[in-house]
Amino acid sequence: EAQVTQNPRYLITVTGKKLTVTCSQNMNHEYMSWYRQDPGLGLRQIYYSMNVEVTDKGDVPEGYKVSRKEKRNFPLILESPSPNQTSLYFCASSYDGFNTGELFFGEGSRLTVL
Amino acid sequence: SQKIEQNSEALNIQEGKTATLTCNYTNYSPAYLQWYRQDPGRGPVFLLLIRENEKEKRKERLKVTFDTTLKQSLFHITASQPADSATYLCALDSGGSYIPTFGRGTSLIVHP
Repeated sequence: EAQVTQNPRYLITVTGKKLTVTCSQNMNHEYMSWYRQDPGLGLRQIYYSMNVEVTDKGDVPEGYKVSRKEKRNFPLILESPSPNQTSLYFCASSYDGFNTGELFFGEGSRLTVL
Repeated sequence: SQKIEQNSEALNIQEGKTATLTCNYTNYSPAYLQWYRQDPGRGPVFLLLIRENEKEKRKERLKVTFDTTLKQSLFHITASQPADSATYLCALDSGGSYIPTFGRGTSLIVHP
């Protein structure tokens, strides 16, 4: 089954404690991206990757890092989380970007930073 | 600044009627527009993509129009069912940026 898998689905942490949200896709997609969704603001892109070792900033990259060492994995790293990073996070993938077809989204990771 | 507007108020309709959702945009020249469905606590699911040179796209009970003059897309669900109740998101991309912009979504509630 084609899917994008995120872990953890729920996480409560404290300010400053580094965390990583993993994302894996099994569709051999080249394009992967991370979004955060906040009430009243919609989905905003954090980072995206066009292929292995190729990443670039989205609209709201501050406070986040990503890496793309393997095609299937695209982890989101919060080096020093702060309460304003409390949000619902989604990973998405597609064959080669938004233009050619659908984005496949994961089920989301709800992060609370105390 | 670039802006996408979707009606923030929920749309309530009776089962069997046609639901019409609106996506307006400003300061944007999108080449591609997509519609997604999102259920509470779940990730968005792709429904339809329409390109700037396409006026209309259909898929089963779904129809999307794209009017680049009015800077608007309409999303229609015919013969609506309670199972169609969800939040519907529109998203735009100008082509090549790889950073699509999503609207905030409109909640659709179909009453039996």
